[in-house]
Amino acid sequence: SYVLTQPPSVSVAPGQTARITCGGNNIGNKNVHWYQQKPGQAPVLVVYDDSDRPSGIPERFSGSNSGNTATLTISRVEAGDEADYYCQVWNSSSDHVVFGGGTKVTVL
Amino acid sequence: QVQLVESGGGVVQPGGSLRLSCVASGFIFSSYGMHWVRQAPGKGLEWVAFIKYDGNNKNYADSVKGRFTISRDNSKNTLYLQMNSLRTEDTAVYYCAKVAIYCSSTSCYLDYWGQGTLVTVSS
Repeated sequence: SYVLTQPPSVSVAPGQTARITCGGNNIGNKNVHWYQQKPGQAPVLVVYDDSDRPSGIPERFSGSNSGNTATLTISRVEAGDEADYYCQVWNSSSDHVVFGGGTKVTVL
Repeated sequence: QVQLVESGGGVVQPGGSLRLSCVASGFIFSSYGMHWVRQAPGKGLEWVAFIKYDGNNKNYADSVKGRFTISRDNSKNTLYLQMNSLRTEDTAVYYCAKVAIYCSSTSCYLDYWGQGTLVTVSS
């Protein structure tokens, strides 16, 4: 089965840039999607197909994907960005959705 | 606006059964695939099952295969998850989620999620 690896936590000061990685074998050949989940709430899609943003998601959220690593970048971090972030791919060989283990972003 | 409302969660003993429902509104339910995703207390997201828009294709995580059944009634705009032979490790919040467009060979992502329903398996 396909495995996605994320760092458990990332800390960032307000106004700075947070980068959350998602590692997987040749993940650059897959489309990666990212979700934000705040405590007690359902996940929200923030980036899809590597780097596209749904309507209503700030431009501060961006994504990239190459080689064995996909990255979600949050620019000019705000206190409201504090949340868990999950990467996700579609494993077409098994028709399964795969999530990374999640990264907790803490705003200092 | 799109709404997904889950129900049916509760406390059940190990080995028991439960059926979850997810009522959809705000979009043409019969045109979209749907997923169930769960989250154990304090843990990450775990995909559970997927059903195609017409109900003709279903896929399951290995952890639930043979015990859980996903189904849908497009006339009632409702998604179901029948859970049998429940184990303590099935304790989680269960979310239903809508496929954004369709699940192709290269991409499948979830653009709307319900608020979840809690299933607790305990003796």
